[in-house]
Amino acid sequence: QSALTQPASVSGSPGQSITISCTGTNSDIGIYNYVSWYQQYPGKAPKLMIYDVTNRPSGVSNRFSGSKSGNTASLTISGLQADDEADYFCSSYTTTSTYVVFGGGTKLTVL
Amino acid sequence: QVQLQESGPGLVKPSETLSLTCTVSGGSISGYYWIWIRQPPGKGLEWIGYIHHTGSPNSNPSLNNRVTISVDASRNQFFLNLSSVTAADTAVYYCAREKSGSSTVFDFWGQGSLVTVSS
Repeated sequence: QSALTQPASVSGSPGQSITISCTGTNSDIGIYNYVSWYQQYPGKAPKLMIYDVTNRPSGVSNRFSGSKSGNTASLTISGLQADDEADYFCSSYTTTSTYVVFGGGTKLTVL
Repeated sequence: QVQLQESGPGLVKPSETLSLTCTVSGGSISGYYWIWIRQPPGKGLEWIGYIHHTGSPNSNPSLNNRVTISVDASRNQFFLNLSSVTAADTAVYYCAREKSGSSTVFDFWGQGSLVTVSS
């Protein structure tokens, strides 16, 4: 059971937009703007897509965007493409001694 | 492009010590924090610990002081030892780099190494 809650799966058609939520508590997402999002293909290394809630690393498409409201962060992917099909997971700094907590991951299917 | 690669035994017996190495290529190990994270089958990710290239390790208290993390900057490697393992320690183990100046932002990861604890 993960500390941050994500939907197990989401789906969308090419060209559409989807949003993945990540719900935490007042000890993590609610109190800090240190939310990151990662993309992972099966058997591959995770790739950083969003950090500090809204920032995109160099080289990441501007189709990926992040936001936060209260204890819930969100990743939005616009103009869905076939190669967006992957697992996505969130993370957040936490005030507890575990330093960082993660979501359980969301499998994105592009129909 | 920085690359990380985990290496070590894929099978460890109960009560023994799990030992993994992370080799960093394409960049220096200096100036960064280096991270170990794991994912048990069917479960979420768990932070194991981190170390700066100069030392000063820190680890997850939930692992009950079984974790030792060390670094060899001359070889661009850092290491994980997890003692007294049980089946609950079976997981994919990842090493990662923390983005400079950004807490809990991991900008490069290894592909992961599956370690099974079984007799």
